[in-house]
Amino acid sequence: RKEVEQDPGPFNVPEGATVAFNCTYSNSASQSFFWYRQDCRKEPKLLMSVYSSGNEDGRFTAQLNRASQYISLLIRDSKLSDSATYLCAVNTLTGGGNKLTFGTGTQLKVEL
Amino acid sequence: NAGVTQTPKFQVLKTGQSMTLQCAQDMNHEYMSWYRQDPGMGLRLIHYSVGAGITDQGEVPNGYNVSRSTTEDFPLRLLSAAPSQTSVYFCASSELLNTEAFFGQGTRLTVV
Repeated sequence: RKEVEQDPGPFNVPEGATVAFNCTYSNSASQSFFWYRQDCRKEPKLLMSVYSSGNEDGRFTAQLNRASQYISLLIRDSKLSDSATYLCAVNTLTGGGNKLTFGTGTQLKVEL
Repeated sequence: NAGVTQTPKFQVLKTGQSMTLQCAQDMNHEYMSWYRQDPGMGLRLIHYSVGAGITDQGEVPNGYNVSRSTTEDFPLRLLSAAPSQTSVYFCASSELLNTEAFFGQGTRLTVV
């Protein structure tokens, strides 16, 4: 089983729609969680960190469920500019130290 | 604001050649890492460093060497390039192990 798993999509949604992505992780010792956005042929950039209590940044809401070992990202009122690949990342303490592991990414296409 | 700088941006190598991908950051970050990104595989950790003089292996270290002689620089060496190493390589740095990772713009490497 992969350490971090995401549905690759693509998710094709109309402008204005609400869309949600999930990401599961296998190591219960994982400590911190993030969502990154990656545009085509560009480097990943942090979208938001995910806190235990959940957090919201404008149209974006992130949730963490430690019991079920998944994080989620909800995008409301989708814009054409939201089209990108969304990567979840999980920071886990290992024998050799901390490492940041990424999922394969979920592709979102917002259409007119 | 330079952030994380990777060179070169593009490179074509012949099988068996060696080369070094350069990565430098000007944010005084202790944690640096190298990833490769392949279609359908997401970002996979190659090597990482928690500070000058300290390096460790990630998920896919074979065929790559790293060193960390200064806080700023974290070069990745391909010892004998193989077609399987054709990929996009990203360097990343973060202040702490559980804070935002900043990525360089990537190096697109083709091994023929």
